[in-house]
Amino acid sequence: EDQVTQSPEALRLQEGESSSLNCSYTVSGLRGLFWYRQDPGKGPEFLFTLYSAGEEKEKERLKATLTKKESFLHITAPKPEDSATYLCAVQGEGKLIFGQGTELSVKP
Amino acid sequence: GAGVSQSPRYKVAKRGQDVALRCDPISGHVSLFWYQQALGQGPEFLTYFQNEAQLDKSGLPSDRFFAERPEGSVSTLKIQRTQQEDSAVYLCASSLDWGTGFSQHFGDGTRLSIL
Repeated sequence: EDQVTQSPEALRLQEGESSSLNCSYTVSGLRGLFWYRQDPGKGPEFLFTLYSAGEEKEKERLKATLTKKESFLHITAPKPEDSATYLCAVQGEGKLIFGQGTELSVKP
Repeated sequence: GAGVSQSPRYKVAKRGQDVALRCDPISGHVSLFWYQQALGQGPEFLTYFQNEAQLDKSGLPSDRFFAERPEGSVSTLKIQRTQQEDSAVYLCASSLDWGTGFSQHFGDGTRLSIL
């Protein structure tokens, strides 16, 4: 059964304090791993798609990496506006399977 | 240049009532998805349309849930005889063409509360 587990569930950082979020997955035939950002009361906002182990993508202070069993979302020198819930999802044969998310809070 | 639009944004219903939730996808997007999101959890897949064809409805929790997209554009998710456990945020997403690798773009959801 396809499964996605994210850790930690919540992460509190000081502004400028870099860290990483983890997404562990099991899927039969990975077709893509997706990262989304979700603000309270809003729908998920697409960030990245990774397709194969070793692939990396960057956007501003965010960098996503992928191995055969997990993905990391690295946040460099975060700002308060980076506070949100970050969702990871995998696509196996069809639908997206989401993790439960990591709630990130960045304090000034 | 509108994104995915969902209405209503909030819906309160009494247990046993029927509700209908609407999704207007991004213009030209052939793929459309419905998800259910409980508080503090990630979205859970309900159903998937490619144009007007419902290709996957394996996530619908019971036969009280029904979705349609008759003209391949607007979609409606209907829940009959609502129960308290149906309370959740219902998200709609669309993709230019999911089968060829385009990403999904989400609306802001309908928050459904069953009293």
